[in-house]
Amino acid sequence: EAQVTQNPRYLITVTGKKLTVTCSQNMNHEYMSWYRQDPGLGLRQIYYSMNVEVTDKGDVPEGYKVSRKEKRNFPLILESPSPNQTSLYFCASSLSRTFEGAYEQYFGPGTRLTVT
Amino acid sequence: KNEVEQSPQNLTAQEGEFITINCSYSVGISALHWLQQHPGGGIVSLFMLSSGKKKHGRLIATINIQEKHSSLHITASHPRDSAVYICAVVEYGNKLVFGAGTILRVKS
Repeated sequence: EAQVTQNPRYLITVTGKKLTVTCSQNMNHEYMSWYRQDPGLGLRQIYYSMNVEVTDKGDVPEGYKVSRKEKRNFPLILESPSPNQTSLYFCASSLSRTFEGAYEQYFGPGTRLTVT
Repeated sequence: KNEVEQSPQNLTAQEGEFITINCSYSVGISALHWLQQHPGGGIVSLFMLSSGKKKHGRLIATINIQEKHSSLHITASHPRDSAVYICAVVEYGNKLVFGAGTILRVKS
């Protein structure tokens, strides 16, 4: 089954404790991205990756890191989480390497993160 | 002003009603997505449009590039259609920009 998986689905952590949210897709997609969703603000892009070893900042990259060492995986790293990073996070992938949105987007199930 | 505006923000309908959700945008785009987010949080892609009209089951999506406007229609609405519907545009330069979403509740 074609899918994007994220882990963990729920996470409660404390300020400053490094964490990683994993994202994996099994569709051989070149393009992957991370979004956060906050009430009243909608979905905002954090980072995206056009292909292996190619990543770039989205609209709200501060406080986050990513890596793309393999095509299927795109982990999101919070080196020192803060309460303002409490949010619902989505990983997404699509076929296109060139056009971010010109192909169907596949979303992971979401990770609800709470930073106290 | 947001680049992507959706209306209405909230919509309650009776089962069987015809529903329309609107999306207006202020920038040039290469494509537009309609997404559905269920109460559990998962997001599913419904349509990707660059012109004209697409239909899938009871869902119809239209786009007018000149007027910078798209609509999502649901015919014969059902309680299982209750969800948040999100419009997202692909700006030139390939950036994806999302609307705030429309919360739809269909009552039986």
